[in-house]
Amino acid sequence: GNSVTQMEGPVTLSEEAFLTINCTYTATGYPSLFWYVQYPGEGLQLLLKATKADDKGSNKGFEATYRKETTSFHLEKGSVQVSDSAVYFCALSEYDDMRFGAGTRLTVKP
Amino acid sequence: DTEVTQTPKHLVMGMTNKKSLKCEQHMGHRAMYWYKQKAKKPPELMFVYSYEKLSINESVPSRFSPECPNSSLLNLHLHALQPEDSALYLCASSQFPGGGTDTQYFGPGTRLTVL
Repeated sequence: GNSVTQMEGPVTLSEEAFLTINCTYTATGYPSLFWYVQYPGEGLQLLLKATKADDKGSNKGFEATYRKETTSFHLEKGSVQVSDSAVYFCALSEYDDMRFGAGTRLTVKP
Repeated sequence: DTEVTQTPKHLVMGMTNKKSLKCEQHMGHRAMYWYKQKAKKPPELMFVYSYEKLSINESVPSRFSPECPNSSLLNLHLHALQPEDSALYLCASSQFPGGGTDTQYFGPGTRLTVL
């Protein structure tokens, strides 16, 4: 079945540092890939998505590229802020069946 | 408006109680979902409704009973739950069922505690 493997946290960075969170997937078909963010006590918010190979999703300075050859969808941001502290989930979806990675907790210190 | 609302925000119930969780969206979405999220874990899919019909049931115990009365409303009826059912229950919706490319919009969740 489909699955997502995500870099385990927690990750602690200083403000303005570069962020990478690794995500790889296993799928039998052609899934869409997502990054969701969850702030404490809240539901999940879509951060970005890509629906086919070589697509790049981007939002609020975050980027991820759908790489079919390496089955990856790594999340990057050039300069993190304290407000980026949250849990980040990589996910794949095929025919309404969305599967999430384990989640990576990011803490950004001033 | 991309809002999914869930009530109640918190719920405490005993193992013999019957309660219901409610989810509502007014975005015209035709797919709605229930997820269960344990502490420090990712959400796990429980049920999917497509065009108000149950399309996916991820082998969820019968003490959880979903209902979709109309295209805007999704309920989760709870009966004879166990303490291990304590979790955050998330509702989500997306525009078109079946495609997999649509963004799922999540509500804030109901935090359930079973005593």
